[in-house]
Amino acid sequence: EVQLVESGGGLVQPGGSLRLSCAASGFTFSRYAMSWVRQAPGKGLEWVSGVSDTGRSTYSADSVKGRFTISRDNPKNTLFLQMNSLRAEDTAVYYCAKGGDAYSLGGHFDNWGQGTLVTVSS
Amino acid sequence: DIQMTQSPSTLSAIVGDRVTITCRASQSISNWLAWYQQIPGKAPKLLIYKASSLESGVPSRFSGGGSGTEFTLTISSLQPDDFATYYCQHYNSYSGTFGQGTRVEIK
Repeated sequence: EVQLVESGGGLVQPGGSLRLSCAASGFTFSRYAMSWVRQAPGKGLEWVSGVSDTGRSTYSADSVKGRFTISRDNPKNTLFLQMNSLRAEDTAVYYCAKGGDAYSLGGHFDNWGQGTLVTVSS
Repeated sequence: DIQMTQSPSTLSAIVGDRVTITCRASQSISNWLAWYQQIPGKAPKLLIYKASSLESGVPSRFSGGGSGTEFTLTISSLQPDDFATYYCQHYNSYSGTFGQGTRVEIK
């Protein structure tokens, strides 16, 4: 059974930093692209960043480009999101999501974690 | 950037109704479209990918159609578990843009 477990969320002041982690199990992590998707309170879904199966290619939404960095540690089956220069509008539940097709960059998301809440406030 | 627009934003229906949600892309996206269901407080769940492929384990009352710029998600006979919010998503190698969501509520 695929499991994705996010951690690292919490309360942070504007301008601060936070690092999210997503521990993956139940599948061959190194074969699948992974992404982070967020959802602000009461709002819709927003794709944030994606990383290829090898970790060599990464992409981010314009809203976080230059502030957030996605990465992965394949031997440890873990996905990361380093978030710097946080703003109030970054407040959201952050989900990690598994790509649906092996060896394919991007794609639909066939499994999601339960999410971790990030609150940016003074 | 490609924009995804869903309609309606809210849909009121009763159990047994046939329900259709529409998703329009601002330019052609071939069939690179997925549909997700989200129940409040839960993570999204994949229903449909490549516009019309049913994800394993998803009931057959869900179906997807369309290509190019116009897509549909149809629920053939609405069940109590189906009252939720539905999102379409265009995906490619470097991004994944969601529609704003359609809330299906009890009439």
